Amino acid sequence: DAGITQSPRYKITETGRQVTLMCHQIWSHSYMFWYRQDLGHGLRLIYYSAAADITDKGEVPDGYVVSRSKTENFPLTLESATRSQTSVYFCASRQGAQDKNIQYFGAGTRLSVL
Amino acid sequence: RKEVEQDPGPFNVPEGATVAFNCTYSNSASQSFFWYRQDCRKEPKLLMSVYSSGNEDGRFTAQLNRASQYISLLIRDSKLSDSATYLCVVNINTGNQFYFGTGTSLTVIP
Repeated sequence: DAGITQSPRYKITETGRQVTLMCHQIWSHSYMFWYRQDLGHGLRLIYYSAAADITDKGEVPDGYVVSRSKTENFPLTLESATRSQTSVYFCASRQGAQDKNIQYFGAGTRLSVL
Repeated sequence: RKEVEQDPGPFNVPEGATVAFNCTYSNSASQSFFWYRQDCRKEPKLLMSVYSSGNEDGRFTAQLNRASQYISLLIRDSKLSDSATYLCVVNINTGNQFYFGTGTSLTVIP
């Protein structure tokens, strides 16, 4: 069951180009997150959102922009891609205090910046 | 210092073995603790939450030691299907500060 979907699943781009990664969830969860996963670092939080029109920086926000005009969507934009942004990106959502902070992840987007 | 530290392994164990993973966290204000499982090139999925009194789910047992700031995961009677990377996750507050360990790799050998 794909309650949270990411697109594209794979992306190759060039340095300096703008790239947008999409994330959509069907549950109307309040919270949504973007992580990147790199060898030796585990998952690191880029940005998160507590509700529509509310976003905040995570651990590694530089070079990324997010928006959340609708509860179900949380796109992540790399304004000018760099090689260091080559990574696997995961979107996640959680309902709130009721679900004891459990996060549900999308299948990931594998991004290569050449 | 990383918020969450795990032994990366790899752990290679025979079927039927018992294996234990530990994870330490640095922030004493941490409130919620989880083990996630991640299969190769897939997304992380919740294995189990970790409660103060310890909890069990079938062959999996999780323990929390707040005084020493570590959590553990015990897998009994290992199956081939348990082969995966196990991620330790800590929530610093009830908001959105989730910190992930780098994961411990487990391979169960026939």
